[in-house]
Amino acid sequence: DAKTTQPPSMDCAEGRAANLPCNHSTISGNEYVYWYRQIHSQGPQYIIHGLKNNETNEMASLIITEDRKSSTLILPHATLRDTAVYYCIVRVARNAGNMLTFGGGTRLMVKP
Amino acid sequence: KAGVTQTPRYLIKTRGQQVTLSCSPISGHRSVSWYQQTPGQGLQFLFEYFSETQRNKGNFPGRFSGRQFSNSRSEMNVSTLELGDSALYLCASSLDRYEQYFGPGTRLTVT
Repeated sequence: DAKTTQPPSMDCAEGRAANLPCNHSTISGNEYVYWYRQIHSQGPQYIIHGLKNNETNEMASLIITEDRKSSTLILPHATLRDTAVYYCIVRVARNAGNMLTFGGGTRLMVKP
Repeated sequence: KAGVTQTPRYLIKTRGQQVTLSCSPISGHRSVSWYQQTPGQGLQFLFEYFSETQRNKGNFPGRFSGRQFSNSRSEMNVSTLELGDSALYLCASSLDRYEQYFGPGTRLTVT
């Protein structure tokens, strides 16, 4: 699975959009971009995933560049409860395994 | 739908002992994966079970083992505990292929 690069930390004001970047320049054509987050001392929580089209759900939006070498997770109106470590993971969706390779992630601090 | 449950939530063991952790996946999920999280190494994949068979294995010594039962519940076992095994052990379940759902974890302290 391709590796990802994320900034180690970011701040965001409460109520503003949080834009978390991820670089995955070696991504292959059949690899998906996944985002998970981990609130302190809890298990990681799935947020969203996509292949090449932009995706949106009730939690966030995922914007993937046309060349698929990078993506941005957008939390449209960040709240204090969104303070967490956000992990960008690239992997093939397949029937033969569910191994996730976590990097260091981005520690997002939402401030009042 | 109930989420992934893990028992016990906290555990203190002594070096040299063994420990068994349990994970109950979301109903209908057949894939169960285990992860270890430490401050130094971050989140690392241990192994995955699907339909009672180990499907993938991470780079951990043989002291770490697991199994899955016919009802998809899974257990992991660590034998001959070392201080470095102190960690948060996370279990995740999946319908397969896409998103995984994590439990709250078992925090193991080895003294």
